[in-house]
Amino acid sequence: NAGVTQTPKFQVLKTGQSMTLQCAQDMNHEYMSWYRQDPGMGLRLIHYSVGAGITDQGEVPNGYNVSRSTTEDFPLRLLSAAPSQTSVYFCASSYYRTGYEQYFGPGTRLTVT
Amino acid sequence: AQSVTQLDSHVSVSEGTPVLLRCNYSSSYSPSLFWYVQHPNKGLQLLLKYTSAATLVKGINGFEAEFKKSETSFHLTKPSAHMSDAAEYFCVVSGTDKLIFGTGTRLQVFP
Repeated sequence: NAGVTQTPKFQVLKTGQSMTLQCAQDMNHEYMSWYRQDPGMGLRLIHYSVGAGITDQGEVPNGYNVSRSTTEDFPLRLLSAAPSQTSVYFCASSYYRTGYEQYFGPGTRLTVT
Repeated sequence: AQSVTQLDSHVSVSEGTPVLLRCNYSSSYSPSLFWYVQHPNKGLQLLLKYTSAATLVKGINGFEAEFKKSETSFHLTKPSAHMSDAAEYFCVVSGTDKLIFGTGTRLQVFP
């Protein structure tokens, strides 16, 4: 099993550009989520999904969109990048909701100039 | 609503001495609690979790945590620190379909 994979590892965007961060898991997990990590703030939940076709907002959803058309994939779209979105982004998955161990991807380091 | 507070942003210990990382939580019901570890430039890895079975939970790499409902605490301990324990540690509480992370404790281990 590859576990949770994220691409790209690094990305630099200019303000106003859009892009999609990819996340995939091969463990047949129902629950997937996206977090951003900023210094001194821990991880903050952006969006999550409890199954294919179902998504919901987390703590900091503004400026981001998600969709979940398959169990395996959960892409995160930045609609119009802003410097405030400079962060490290982590995707995670678990068998079923949040009471189970979360498996994290290696992260994407995004810089918006 | 659930919340979690990590009481120390940095902890420094010498190799071979005990480690104590403190975490208090708030939850309106019996929570699931976790400790995750993040080594530099890596993703997060589960150390241990509490899900209302035994109050003393053993994890990987010699870590353990004790759930104390009366004190609303879930402190992480290890009897003897190793250089490889240097990392950031996150206390996490499970809410309804969401995980709530503490702000993290950076553990430094000196030789």
